[in-house]
Amino acid sequence: GAVVSQHPSRVICKSGTSVKIECRSLDFQATTMFWYRQFPKQSLMLMATSNEGSKATYEQGVEKDKFLINHASLTLSTLTVTSAHPEDSSFYICSAPGLTSIYEQYFGPGTRLTVT
Amino acid sequence: AQSVTQPDIHITVSEGASLELRCNYSYGATPYLFWYVQSPGQGLQLLLKYFSGDTLVQGIKGFEAEFKRSQSSFNLRKPSVHWSDAAEYFCAVGELAGGTSYGKLTFGQGTILTVHP
Repeated sequence: GAVVSQHPSRVICKSGTSVKIECRSLDFQATTMFWYRQFPKQSLMLMATSNEGSKATYEQGVEKDKFLINHASLTLSTLTVTSAHPEDSSFYICSAPGLTSIYEQYFGPGTRLTVT
Repeated sequence: AQSVTQPDIHITVSEGASLELRCNYSYGATPYLFWYVQSPGQGLQLLLKYFSGDTLVQGIKGFEAEFKRSQSSFNLRKPSVHWSDAAEYFCAVGELAGGTSYGKLTFGQGTILTVHP
């Protein structure tokens, strides 16, 4: 089946630094990928839709200058958290739709970001 | 705006017992509905989905869900729970094609399932 990977699985960074998270579709191509954020014991919140070859679409309230998304190829999307602060600590999850339907999304295992 | 509510944050059942996880949604039209399961260290896995047609849908791992329009509900059920079913379960609703948020999934808060031996 379709597999989505994320790297790294965990990252700790200091406040003020930037960190990049990669999302890859391993055995299929994805022109669209989705980035979610999940706070402890809370739901997944869609942050943005990553589009290969064009700009990402951000959800209301998400700072596009802070959360930079680049969909570099049909199998790779990256999320860069710039000038990270402790409140950015969270679980970041990406997903990519399969071939049959945009709603048949395959999720990565997530990246735990801790900002100290 | 669409929304999803899972009233139960945490449910505990004994192995072999039946299970029902509740999900209520708010949406202007007939929604696309989903149940996902999240296990530690693994990505969300789709259990089942409802797009149209038969309101009782069968999924993987012995799960089923019933769409009830009159109650705006899409409850997940399993007749006999196994210890390996312990995980967190998310109900989600998808924006219909043609909307401005095509492909967007809105998730409920999740229900943590604990299974006692």
